[in-house]
Amino acid sequence: AQTVTQSQPEMSVQEAETVTLSCTYDTSESDYYLFWYKQPPSRQMILVIRQEAYKQQNATENRFSVNFQKAAKSFSLKISDSQLGDAAMYFCAYRWGFGTASKLTFGTGTRLQVTL
Amino acid sequence: DGGITQSPKYLFRKEGQNVTLSCEQNLNHDAMYWYRQDPGQGLRLIYYSQIVNDFQKGDIAEGYSVSREKKESFPLTVTSAQKNPTAFYLCASSTRDRSSYEQYFGPGTRLTVT
Repeated sequence: AQTVTQSQPEMSVQEAETVTLSCTYDTSESDYYLFWYKQPPSRQMILVIRQEAYKQQNATENRFSVNFQKAAKSFSLKISDSQLGDAAMYFCAYRWGFGTASKLTFGTGTRLQVTL
Repeated sequence: DGGITQSPKYLFRKEGQNVTLSCEQNLNHDAMYWYRQDPGQGLRLIYYSQIVNDFQKGDIAEGYSVSREKKESFPLTVTSAQKNPTAFYLCASSTRDRSSYEQYFGPGTRLTVT
Protein backbone atom coordinates (compact mmCIF):
# COMPACT_ATOMS: atom_id res chain seq x y z
CA ALA A 1 0.00 0.00 0.00
CA GLN A 2 1.09 3.51 -0.72
CA THR A 3 2.00 5.57 2.34
CA VAL A 4 3.01 9.18 2.80
CA THR A 5 5.06 10.31 5.80
CA GLN A 6 5.53 13.84 7.08
CA SER A 7 7.92 13.61 9.99
CA GLN A 8 7.65 17.23 11.13
CA PRO A 9 4.37 17.85 12.99
CA GLU A 10 5.25 21.52 13.47
CA MET A 11 7.71 23.96 11.97
CA SER A 12 8.42 27.63 12.59
CA VAL A 13 10.02 30.23 10.33
CA GLN A 14 10.67 33.93 10.59
CA GLU A 15 9.08 36.24 8.09
CA ALA A 16 11.24 36.64 4.95
CA GLU A 17 13.25 33.51 5.75
CA THR A 18 13.24 30.14 3.98
CA VAL A 19 11.80 26.91 5.33
CA THR A 20 11.74 23.35 4.02
CA LEU A 21 9.01 20.85 4.81
CA SER A 22 9.82 17.16 4.44
CA CYS A 23 7.81 14.37 2.87
CA THR A 24 8.67 10.79 2.05
CA TYR A 25 6.48 8.20 0.42
CA ASP A 26 6.47 4.51 -0.22
CA THR A 27 5.39 3.04 -3.53
CA SER A 28 6.24 0.35 -6.03
CA GLU A 29 4.73 2.37 -8.87
CA SER A 30 6.85 4.24 -11.40
CA ASP A 31 4.20 6.61 -12.71
CA TYR A 32 2.46 8.86 -10.20
CA TYR A 33 1.86 12.43 -9.10
CA LEU A 34 2.87 14.25 -5.93
CA PHE A 35 1.21 17.32 -4.48
CA TRP A 36 1.55 19.82 -1.68
CA TYR A 37 -1.70 21.25 -0.35
CA LYS A 38 -2.07 24.14 2.07
CA GLN A 39 -4.88 24.33 4.62
CA PRO A 40 -5.14 27.75 6.32
CA PRO A 41 -7.31 28.35 9.41
CA SER A 42 -10.38 28.61 7.13
CA ARG A 43 -9.77 24.87 6.47
CA GLN A 44 -10.09 25.35 2.70
CA MET A 45 -7.62 23.02 0.96
CA ILE A 46 -5.51 24.89 -1.59
CA LEU A 47 -3.15 23.29 -4.08
CA VAL A 48 0.34 24.73 -3.73
CA ILE A 49 2.37 22.73 -6.22
CA ARG A 50 2.43 19.41 -8.07
CA GLN A 51 5.10 17.17 -9.52
CA GLU A 52 4.78 14.46 -12.15
CA ALA A 53 7.05 11.54 -11.34
CA TYR A 54 8.20 11.13 -14.94
CA LYS A 55 9.58 14.69 -14.96
CA GLN A 56 13.10 15.06 -13.60
CA GLN A 57 12.87 18.84 -13.33
CA ASN A 58 11.69 20.08 -9.96
CA ALA A 59 8.43 22.04 -10.02
CA THR A 60 8.35 25.70 -8.97
CA GLU A 61 5.49 28.10 -8.33
CA ASN A 62 6.65 31.60 -7.42
CA ARG A 63 8.08 31.34 -3.86
CA PHE A 64 7.33 27.61 -3.63
CA SER A 65 9.59 24.92 -5.02
CA VAL A 66 10.10 21.22 -4.49
CA ASN A 67 13.08 18.93 -4.25
CA PHE A 68 11.93 15.68 -5.84
CA GLN A 69 14.27 12.74 -5.31
CA LYS A 70 12.57 9.80 -7.01
CA ALA A 71 15.09 7.13 -6.04
CA ALA A 72 14.96 8.22 -2.42
CA LYS A 73 11.15 8.65 -2.58
CA SER A 74 11.46 12.12 -1.12
CA PHE A 75 9.42 15.20 -1.97
CA SER A 76 10.24 18.27 0.12
CA LEU A 77 8.66 21.71 -0.17
CA LYS A 78 10.75 24.87 0.08
CA ILE A 79 9.06 28.16 0.86
CA SER A 80 11.23 31.19 0.18
CA ASP A 81 10.68 34.71 1.53
CA SER A 82 8.08 33.41 3.99
CA GLN A 83 5.04 35.58 4.58
CA LEU A 84 2.52 35.71 7.41
CA GLY A 85 -0.09 34.34 5.02
CA ASP A 86 1.95 31.17 4.61
CA ALA A 87 1.00 30.08 8.12
CA ALA A 88 -1.11 26.96 7.68
CA MET A 89 -1.17 23.18 7.73
CA TYR A 90 0.70 21.70 4.78
CA PHE A 91 -0.16 18.28 3.46
CA CYS A 92 1.91 16.16 1.13
CA ALA A 93 -0.16 13.88 -1.11
CA TYR A 94 0.51 11.05 -3.54
CA ARG A 95 -1.70 10.10 -6.45
CA TRP A 96 -1.28 6.95 -8.42
CA GLY A 97 -3.31 5.04 -10.92
CA PHE A 98 -5.25 6.57 -13.73
CA GLY A 99 -8.84 6.40 -14.76
CA THR A 100 -11.01 4.42 -12.41
CA ALA A 101 -8.24 3.35 -10.04
CA SER A 102 -6.74 6.74 -9.18
CA LYS A 103 -6.75 7.80 -5.52
CA LEU A 104 -5.03 10.38 -3.37
CA THR A 105 -3.14 9.43 -0.19
CA PHE A 106 -2.25 12.20 2.27
CA GLY A 107 0.40 12.57 4.92
CA THR A 108 -0.53 13.68 8.42
CA GLY A 109 0.48 17.27 7.81
CA THR A 110 2.98 19.85 9.06
CA ARG A 111 1.77 22.93 10.88
CA LEU A 112 3.82 25.94 9.78
CA GLN A 113 4.05 28.97 12.03
CA VAL A 114 5.40 32.24 10.64
CA THR A 115 6.79 34.70 13.15
CA LEU A 116 7.71 38.37 12.85
CA ASP B 1 -17.87 31.13 -10.56
CA GLY B 2 -16.99 27.46 -10.87
CA GLY B 3 -16.41 25.54 -7.70
CA ILE B 4 -17.53 23.05 -5.11
CA THR B 5 -20.14 23.81 -2.48
CA GLN B 6 -20.77 21.91 0.71
CA SER B 7 -23.64 22.57 2.99
CA PRO B 8 -24.11 23.21 5.78
CA LYS B 9 -20.82 24.49 7.19
CA TYR B 10 -21.71 23.19 10.67
CA LEU B 11 -24.04 20.30 11.40
CA PHE B 12 -25.21 18.93 14.73
CA ARG B 13 -26.97 15.62 15.23
CA LYS B 14 -28.00 13.34 18.03
CA GLU B 15 -26.41 9.94 18.30
CA GLY B 16 -28.36 7.26 16.44
CA GLN B 17 -29.57 9.54 13.67
CA ASN B 18 -28.49 9.29 10.05
CA VAL B 19 -27.31 12.55 8.50
CA THR B 20 -26.61 13.49 4.88
CA LEU B 21 -23.88 15.92 3.85
CA SER B 22 -24.31 17.75 0.59
CA CYS B 23 -21.64 18.22 -2.09
CA GLU B 24 -22.27 19.95 -5.41
CA GLN B 25 -19.80 20.93 -8.13
CA ASN B 26 -20.17 22.94 -11.33
CA LEU B 27 -16.68 22.26 -12.65
CA ASN B 28 -17.93 19.53 -15.01
CA HIS B 29 -15.61 17.06 -13.28
CA ASP B 30 -16.22 13.35 -13.69
CA ALA B 31 -14.65 12.25 -10.42
CA MET B 32 -15.75 13.14 -6.90
CA TYR B 33 -14.42 12.18 -3.49
CA TRP B 34 -15.26 12.30 0.20
CA TYR B 35 -12.59 12.65 2.87
CA ARG B 36 -12.69 12.69 6.62
CA GLN B 37 -10.23 14.83 8.59
CA ASP B 38 -9.43 14.25 12.24
CA PRO B 39 -6.82 16.10 14.30
CA GLY B 40 -3.34 14.71 13.68
CA GLN B 41 -4.49 12.21 11.05
CA GLY B 42 -4.59 14.16 7.80
CA LEU B 43 -7.27 13.30 5.28
CA ARG B 44 -8.62 9.81 4.86
CA LEU B 45 -10.65 8.68 1.86
CA ILE B 46 -14.19 7.49 2.57
CA TYR B 47 -15.71 6.97 -0.88
CA TYR B 48 -15.01 8.05 -4.42
CA SER B 49 -16.84 8.05 -7.71
CA GLN B 50 -15.29 8.23 -11.15
CA ILE B 51 -18.53 8.36 -13.13
CA VAL B 52 -22.25 8.71 -12.57
CA ASN B 53 -23.98 5.68 -11.02
CA ASP B 54 -20.65 4.18 -9.96
CA PHE B 55 -18.64 4.55 -6.75
CA GLN B 56 -15.98 2.68 -4.79
CA LYS B 57 -15.13 2.35 -1.13
CA GLY B 58 -12.11 4.17 0.15
CA ASP B 59 -10.02 3.35 3.19
CA ILE B 60 -12.65 4.04 5.87
CA ALA B 61 -16.06 3.36 4.24
CA GLU B 62 -17.66 1.53 7.17
CA GLY B 63 -20.68 3.40 8.52
CA TYR B 64 -20.99 5.63 5.45
CA SER B 65 -22.97 5.46 2.22
CA VAL B 66 -23.02 7.54 -0.96
CA SER B 67 -24.93 7.94 -4.20
CA ARG B 68 -24.00 9.46 -7.55
CA GLU B 69 -27.18 9.97 -9.54
CA LYS B 70 -26.01 13.19 -11.16
CA LYS B 71 -22.57 14.29 -12.32
CA GLU B 72 -22.80 17.44 -10.22
CA SER B 73 -23.80 15.85 -6.93
CA PHE B 74 -22.21 13.33 -4.54
CA PRO B 75 -24.02 13.28 -1.18
CA LEU B 76 -22.56 11.43 1.78
CA THR B 77 -24.75 9.79 4.43
CA VAL B 78 -23.26 9.21 7.84
CA THR B 79 -25.24 6.35 9.31
CA SER B 80 -25.82 5.41 12.93
CA ALA B 81 -23.40 2.52 12.34
CA GLN B 82 -20.46 4.95 12.19
CA LYS B 83 -18.90 4.65 15.63
CA ASN B 84 -17.19 8.01 15.81
CA PRO B 85 -18.85 10.35 13.31
CA THR B 86 -17.75 13.69 14.78
CA ALA B 87 -15.19 15.05 12.30
CA PHE B 88 -14.53 17.54 9.52
CA TYR B 89 -15.70 16.25 6.14
CA LEU B 90 -14.25 17.44 2.84
CA CYS B 91 -15.61 16.84 -0.63
CA ALA B 92 -13.37 17.07 -3.69
CA SER B 93 -13.58 16.64 -7.43
CA SER B 94 -11.19 16.18 -10.33
CA THR B 95 -11.08 15.53 -14.03
CA ARG B 96 -10.08 12.15 -15.37
CA ASP B 97 -7.75 13.92 -17.78
CA ARG B 98 -4.15 13.00 -17.07
CA SER B 99 -2.99 16.54 -17.81
CA SER B 100 -4.81 17.90 -14.78
CA TYR B 101 -4.86 15.46 -11.92
CA GLU B 102 -5.14 17.70 -8.90
CA GLN B 103 -8.26 17.54 -6.76
CA TYR B 104 -10.31 20.64 -6.02
CA PHE B 105 -11.83 20.84 -2.58
CA GLY B 106 -15.00 22.27 -1.12
CA PRO B 107 -15.03 24.36 2.08
CA GLY B 108 -15.96 21.37 4.26
CA THR B 109 -18.66 20.48 6.78
CA ARG B 110 -17.98 20.15 10.47
CA LEU B 111 -20.23 17.41 11.86
CA THR B 112 -20.77 17.09 15.60
CA VAL B 113 -22.71 14.14 16.98
CA THR B 114 -23.68 14.13 20.65
